[in-house]
Amino acid sequence: EDQVTQSPEALRLQEGESSSLNCSYTVSGLRGLFWYRQDPGKGPEFLFTLYSAGEEKEKERLKATLTKKESFLHITAPKPEDSATYLCVQIAVNTGFQKLVFGTGTRLLVSP
Amino acid sequence: DSGVTQTPKHLITATGQRVTLRCSPRSGDLSVYWYQQSLDQGLQFLIQYYNGEERAKGNILERFSAQQFPDLHSELNLSSLELGDSALYFCASSVTSNTGELFFGEGSRLTVL
Repeated sequence: EDQVTQSPEALRLQEGESSSLNCSYTVSGLRGLFWYRQDPGKGPEFLFTLYSAGEEKEKERLKATLTKKESFLHITAPKPEDSATYLCVQIAVNTGFQKLVFGTGTRLLVSP
Repeated sequence: DSGVTQTPKHLITATGQRVTLRCSPRSGDLSVYWYQQSLDQGLQFLIQYYNGEERAKGNILERFSAQQFPDLHSELNLSSLELGDSALYFCASSVTSNTGELFFGEGSRLTVL
């Protein structure tokens, strides 16, 4: 079964304390990996797309990287406004159609 | 603002009732997706439409149905509601049918009493 596993489930950082979130997958026929941010009670917001191992994307304090088996979301010098749940999503091909497989997310809390 | 509009934002109803959730996709997007998110749970894919046709189906209950209209807006119908159907229902849209770059609405929060 296609699975996307994110770790840790929750992460608490002090403002300015850099860290990384992990996304590993067992999806067969990977067609892309995506990162989203979700604030409580809101819809997820698209952040990055990664297609091939070695690829990196950056946006403000966030940098996403991809290897053959996992992806990392690096957060450099986070601020309280970076507090959110970060979702890893992958496209899997199954019986002729594509589907998105969502991870359960990492809840990030950045304290001032 | 993602450009995806969902109504109503909040809905409270009783068990056994039927409700309809509405979604207007971003201008130019042909694909619409419906997701369910229960309290502290992940996003569960329900169904996807592309240009009016059903493209993919996920864990959608038989009591639930959806459609996409010629003007590309979509409706999700939930019937014979149960307490466990209480959740946030998100609509998302995308330009194509085979992308992971989705634009989500703010959601419709359904409470079944």
